[in-house]
Amino acid sequence: DAKTTQPTSMDCAEGRAANLPCNHSTISGNEYVYWYRQIHSQGPQYIIHGLKNNETNEMASLIITEDRKSSTLILPHATLRDTAVYYCIVSLRGQGAQKLVFGQGTRLTINP
Amino acid sequence: GAGVSQSPSNKVTEKGKDVELRCDPISGHTALYWYRQSLGQGLEFLIYFQGNSAPDKSGLPSDRFSAERTGGSVSTLTIQRTQQEDSAVYLCASSSRGGFESSYNEQFFGPGTRLTVL
Repeated sequence: DAKTTQPTSMDCAEGRAANLPCNHSTISGNEYVYWYRQIHSQGPQYIIHGLKNNETNEMASLIITEDRKSSTLILPHATLRDTAVYYCIVSLRGQGAQKLVFGQGTRLTINP
Repeated sequence: GAGVSQSPSNKVTEKGKDVELRCDPISGHTALYWYRQSLGQGLEFLIYFQGNSAPDKSGLPSDRFSAERTGGSVSTLTIQRTQQEDSAVYLCASSSRGGFESSYNEQFFGPGTRLTVL
């Protein structure tokens, strides 16, 4: 079973920041938070990951609460191409190949 | 291109037939994964290979499903005596330990093979 809980769907206006929440209250100390997205008819795409510090890359920012029980993925200036299903996953890292356990994700729709 | 490729992109077969799905991972990636996604469902792990280690087959739904990875590169997923419930998109991914900033969990997915069993 997936260890994360996400809203089923969200809407955001184009050009605005999209904030996608994720609850992972049972995360263990050595598990990372990963975000992937899946645009319609494509394979999933890695976005970002973090352990406890906030992270930022060219695609998004990841904010992890101090107790690590929840996180938020931020797309700072959403475009229509960001419409996708976003998956929040917790997994060990750096210990060899790991199967990713995908939940149902959040279907994000960016509206013009 | 340098991404993960899969073939065929679409496969229609009759119930009871065997099918083979192919995955070409990114060159140099030592880990290769198979997932499937049924209509309206999330992604379900099937199997992964890592280097010369024994594969993790814990996600294979039945003994009709098998996979092999030859020469540490190309992989084939075989489904014997296909059933209608096998209809899904089968996704392959690869990853590598890489440098300090990367890890096996940054998996690169192919476009998938859409399997339809009539």
